[in-house]
Amino acid sequence: NSKVIQTPRYLVKGQGQKAKMRCIPEKGHPVVFWYQQNKNNEFKFLINFQNQEVLQQIDMTEKRFSAECPSNSPCSLEIQSSEAGDSALYLCASSPQGRAETLYFGSGTRLTVL
Amino acid sequence: GDSVTQTEGLVTLTKGLPVMLNCTYQTTYSPFLFWYVQHLNEAPKLLLKSSTDNKRTEHQGFYATLHKSSSSFHLQKSSVQLSDSALYFCVLSSGSWQLIFGSGTQLTVMP
Repeated sequence: NSKVIQTPRYLVKGQGQKAKMRCIPEKGHPVVFWYQQNKNNEFKFLINFQNQEVLQQIDMTEKRFSAECPSNSPCSLEIQSSEAGDSALYLCASSPQGRAETLYFGSGTRLTVL
Repeated sequence: GDSVTQTEGLVTLTKGLPVMLNCTYQTTYSPFLFWYVQHLNEAPKLLLKSSTDNKRTEHQGFYATLHKSSSSFHLQKSSVQLSDSALYFCVLSSGSWQLIFGSGTQLTVMP
């Protein structure tokens, strides 16, 4: 069973509303990734962190999406103003370190924007 | 830029038959390839990984060999089971922190 905990499992929002989801990475894993998996099962990278610092993020994340990984608190991903196209499975994954390390995924938060 | 290609979107097989899911990649960096499996409503999990050229890696009956000469990392199993029905993703790690996911192959095993 995955040791990466994501909450909530399901999230339903209206267009324009904020949507916030959380992730507790596996203990001892300093690297955290957020991915969006759409209805066609395609993965889109959003942002990643090493400890509390952002390593990389895509343009979409820089505008309507915000994310943080504070020390001693869950990581979070928030969409400031949800759009219908944001409906997807949001997957958090953690990694021990390094680009060749295995990713350990959570079960995801399924966001539906009505 | 870096890319991963999985040519089969959907593969349907009868239990007990062999399967090969194709994966080819493109990168200018030294590649590290992974296969992840995602069962319905579950988290993706690592199945196999390799960065060693021409060395077969195996796990849970599945195996794959990284061939840098042909930029391939095909996933194979000699006899599929009903429990193998899932989404399979080929993933490339190259020169940056980002991982490049293939489009995925849905494997359905029939009784």
